[in-house]
Amino acid sequence: QKEVEQNSGPLSVPEGAIASLNCTYSDRGSQSFFWYRQYSGKSPELIMSIYSNGDKEDGRFTAQLNKASQYVSLLIRDSQPSDSATYLCAVRDTGRRALTFGSGTRLQVQP
Amino acid sequence: NAGVTQTPKFQVLKTGQSMTLQCAQDMNHNSMYWYRQDPGMGLRLIYYSASEGTTDKGEVPNGYNVSRLNKREFSLRLESAAPSQTSVYFCAVNRGGNYGYTFGSGTRLTVV
Repeated sequence: QKEVEQNSGPLSVPEGAIASLNCTYSDRGSQSFFWYRQYSGKSPELIMSIYSNGDKEDGRFTAQLNKASQYVSLLIRDSQPSDSATYLCAVRDTGRRALTFGSGTRLQVQP
Repeated sequence: NAGVTQTPKFQVLKTGQSMTLQCAQDMNHNSMYWYRQDPGMGLRLIYYSASEGTTDKGEVPNGYNVSRLNKREFSLRLESAAPSQTSVYFCAVNRGGNYGYTFGSGTRLTVV
């Protein structure tokens, strides 16, 4: 069983809508969680990190963490065509020294 | 990708050939990583180095070796390339805390 699960998509939303990206993880002791954005042919770039249960907002982006349900999500408000990319969820598991990545969700924002 | 430099950007190898992928950082952080990315598989950890002179295996280390000779540089070597090693390789540096990892621009490797 893969340790970090994401729906591969594509998730298609109209411009201006809210895009909701989801991620589940298997290690209940996981400590920290990250969302990366990756444009086609480019390297991943960090959008947000979250450590505590609840919501964390940064501009149009909101990360949500629920450790009891082992679930982390990313909301993108007022989606723009420039948000079209693959979004990678990453988790630092108990005792690990490296991040484990999900396979990513491809987001398409339709003009 | 300011701070993490990977070379080369593209490479084509024949089966059985060897090569070294280079990664260098100018951010003075301890931890560095090599990942490979294949379609539908996400990023998989090959090797990592928590500090100068130390290295540890990740999820998919077979067929690879690494070298961390100093704090700045972390290289990945393929001794005898195989078609299964066709992938995009990313080097990353852990900036710590909320800053997460910074990735290099990647090396696209094709083994024929």
